[in-house]
This record gives sequence, C-alpha cells and structure tokens, in this order.
Amino acid sequence: AQSVSQHNHHVILSEAASLELGCNYSYGGTVNLFWYVQYPGQHLQLLLKYFSGDPLVKGIKGFEAEFIKSKFSFNLRKPSVQWSDTAEYFCAIFSGGYNKLIFGAGTRLAVHP
Amino acid sequence: EPEVTQTPSHQVTQMGQEVILRCVPISNHLYFYWYRQILGQKVEFLVSFYNNEISEKSEIFDDQFSVERPDGSNFTLKIRSTKLEDSAMYFCAVGALEGGVAGELFFGEGSRLTVL
Repeated sequence: AQSVSQHNHHVILSEAASLELGCNYSYGGTVNLFWYVQYPGQHLQLLLKYFSGDPLVKGIKGFEAEFIKSKFSFNLRKPSVQWSDTAEYFCAIFSGGYNKLIFGAGTRLAVHP
Repeated sequence: EPEVTQTPSHQVTQMGQEVILRCVPISNHLYFYWYRQILGQKVEFLVSFYNNEISEKSEIFDDQFSVERPDGSNFTLKIRSTKLEDSAMYFCAVGALEGGVAGELFFGEGSRLTVL
C-alpha cells in the first residue's frame, strides 16, 4: 500500500532561516510527487511537482524539492523563509495504478518576523 | 480564478440530516475527487470519479456517501444521514486535463460541514 510520512508536524522558524521539510513515501512503483501548501483559511495549492527528469525541482515562491529515489524521499527546501510562508505543507504521491493522490499528515510551519 | 468552485462554503446541519455538497469545475477535466480534512488532521481521500462512475473509494466512503455528476457539469457529494464525525472541510478536486501531469490536482476552496 502507498503511504507518505512527513517527519515534522510543527516547525517554528525566524525569518531568513533556512527550511527543510522531510517527506518519505512507500511504494515500489513509479510515482509522481507533489508538495501542496495550505495558507491559513485557504484551499490547497500546488507548490511544486516531480514526475520525471531532473530530480531537483523548483516551485513557486523560491521553494525547491529533491527527489532521491534510493531513499524514497522528496524533501522540500527554501534557503530563506519569510513570514508569508506561514502555512501547512503537505507532501503527496500519485501513482496511476491507484489513481489517487495520497497525502502525508502535513507540517505546520510558523515563521516569526 | 480557481479551477473549481464549491458550494456551500459552510453548512451547519443536524445529525441525521442529508447534505449535498456541490462542485463546479471551470475547464473540461477528466477526473473528479472528493477529499476531506477533519480539523487539525490530514487530508483524506474519499472517492475518485471518472467517465461517470466511481473509479476508487476509500474505507471512509461507506453507504452513507454517494457522488454523481448529473448534468455533466456539477459534481456532487451526498451524505445521506450525517453523523457528528462527518464534521470536516470537504474539498473537491479535479485533475488530468489533456497534457497535464497525472496527480496534479486543482482543489476548490472547500465546504466546511458542521454536524450538531
């Protein structure tokens, strides 16, 4: 069965600090990988995606993620966070065989000015 | 402008009542999904819908739940007899436009259901 694990449930940072959120998944086949973000009171929005090619993908707002197949990981990074990055971040995987997006439990990020 | 519009944005209902949540996608998507998020918890898959039938459903999606796309436009989730534990934010999502990436879903703004 597919599953997604996010290592940190709650992260607190000061502005300009670097961010790395961990994500590991379990599934032996080919998957597409995603990070979605949910700002307070808003809906889920796509942050970035990986489906093939360069394992280092860049998304919106300066975020990037690296797919490491051998580690089944897809960690999210940002070199310098801003207060406006305060949100909940969800890692997700999709495989055609299951035809659904499976989310991790989410990481709630709070950035203090 | 969001790809998906959901109504109502918030509904309060009594336990045992029927609830219908509606979703209207803007573009011609092929796949439709319902997810829910209980307050403070993870986003959970409920059901996927393709070619006018259920493609897959989770354990949560029991006989109290049903989906349909009656007019080729609206995609609805019906909860026949609501329970307290159905209180959650329900998100509609659409995916798989021509040339799109499988799994790249566009979510609506959600319908918050409160069951009293």
